[in-house]
Amino acid sequence: DAGVIQSPRHEVTEMGQEVTLRCKPISGHDYLFWYRQTMMRGLELLIYFNNNVPIDDSGMPEDRFSAKMPNASFSTLKIQPSEPRDSAVYFCASSLGAGVAGEFFGPGTRLTVL
Amino acid sequence: SQQGEEDPQALSIQEGENATMNCSYKTSINNLQWYRQNSGRGLVHLILIRSNEREKHSGRLRVTLDTSKKSSSLLITASRAADTASYFCATDARGQNFVFGPGTRLSVLP
Repeated sequence: DAGVIQSPRHEVTEMGQEVTLRCKPISGHDYLFWYRQTMMRGLELLIYFNNNVPIDDSGMPEDRFSAKMPNASFSTLKIQPSEPRDSAVYFCASSLGAGVAGEFFGPGTRLTVL
Repeated sequence: SQQGEEDPQALSIQEGENATMNCSYKTSINNLQWYRQNSGRGLVHLILIRSNEREKHSGRLRVTLDTSKKSSSLLITASRAADTASYFCATDARGQNFVFGPGTRLSVLP
């Protein structure tokens, strides 16, 4: 398996633009997580899905952020409109089950909002 | 506040020495995990230890868990320059998902 795939790897955009981050989890994994990492706040869980259903989105910073998982092999994290403080590395991770085994992380998307 | 918090924040050692990092947490957990992150890369899962386990080994890694003290330690023996990375512990408070600490930055000098 190729592991968790994220795209794009780097995104530079201007404030106010819409940003869409994409993730393909490992086949067979039924949990998918979106994290954000910054120097100031470390690694934060934004939202996670189980069998394509959002379970906990309490980490989503505000209404400008939304995430979808239309099927078992694809998820998106959208920021609209983007702001400079959204600049961070966004990681997607998948696992076989919460607490069963480790989460497998993708390489991340480095987002810069100017 | 952080559920899991690593200590020290930064650690610098010579190649061949052992490195010990600690993680303390606040509430009861089901599992605790250790991850490694190389600069600019994603996280790599190292070890998961369950609340009913006290010690686990994987190669040069040894993880201990003391639920009475709400703490865990990660020991890397015979460190190598390639072990230079940030190390995170992640805990799942009962009923919640994994929460990551701020990490320990390990530098292994040749």
